[in-house]
Amino acid sequence: EVQLVLSGAEVKKPGDIVKISCKVSGYTFTDHYIHWVKQAPGKGLEWMGLVDPDDAQTLYAENFQGRVTITADTSTDTAYMEFSSLRSEDTAVYYCATGRGSRGIFDYWARGTLVTVSS
Amino acid sequence: DIQMTQSPSSLSAAVGDRVTITCQASQDISDFLNWYQQKPGKDPKLLIYDAANLETGVPSRFSGSGSGTHFTFTISSLEPEDFATYYCQQYGDLSSFGGGTKVEIK
Repeated sequence: EVQLVLSGAEVKKPGDIVKISCKVSGYTFTDHYIHWVKQAPGKGLEWMGLVDPDDAQTLYAENFQGRVTITADTSTDTAYMEFSSLRSEDTAVYYCATGRGSRGIFDYWARGTLVTVSS
Repeated sequence: DIQMTQSPSSLSAAVGDRVTITCQASQDISDFLNWYQQKPGKDPKLLIYDAANLETGVPSRFSGSGSGTHFTFTISSLEPEDFATYYCQQYGDLSSFGGGTKVEIK
């Protein structure tokens, strides 16, 4: 059974860094890209970026380029999303998702994790 | 980045109604377009992939069509469990989501 499990909720202050992990199981980690998606309270879904665990290549949405770093550790089948210079508007539920190889079809999602940024 | 314009942002409908949602891409994305359903507090669920393909296990009352820049998602006869928010998502160039359509009970 494919499972993606995110690390727990975080409370951060403005300017802090947060690093969220996404542990996968049930498939070969290097076979599928891992994507990260943001959902602010009461708002829609926003794609942040992806990592190809096979070669560590990454791509980012323009809104997150420069503040977000996505990585993958093939020794632990875990992807990470590090978000720096946090602002109150970064308060959101964050998801990791995966699907069909290199295609952007997300048929497996982790239960989201809440990051709260507050002074 | 490609912008996805989804409409309407919300609608009210009754059980048994036919519901149609549209999604317009800011540039040609071929058929690299998916539709998801999200219920409150839950992660999104894939319903339609590549514009018109029904995901395994998804009821046939859900359908999708379109290519290029204009796409349509239809629920042929609304069931009580279909009240949720629906999102389109493109992956023709990186990825991005539409703003969502909240389907509420009339």
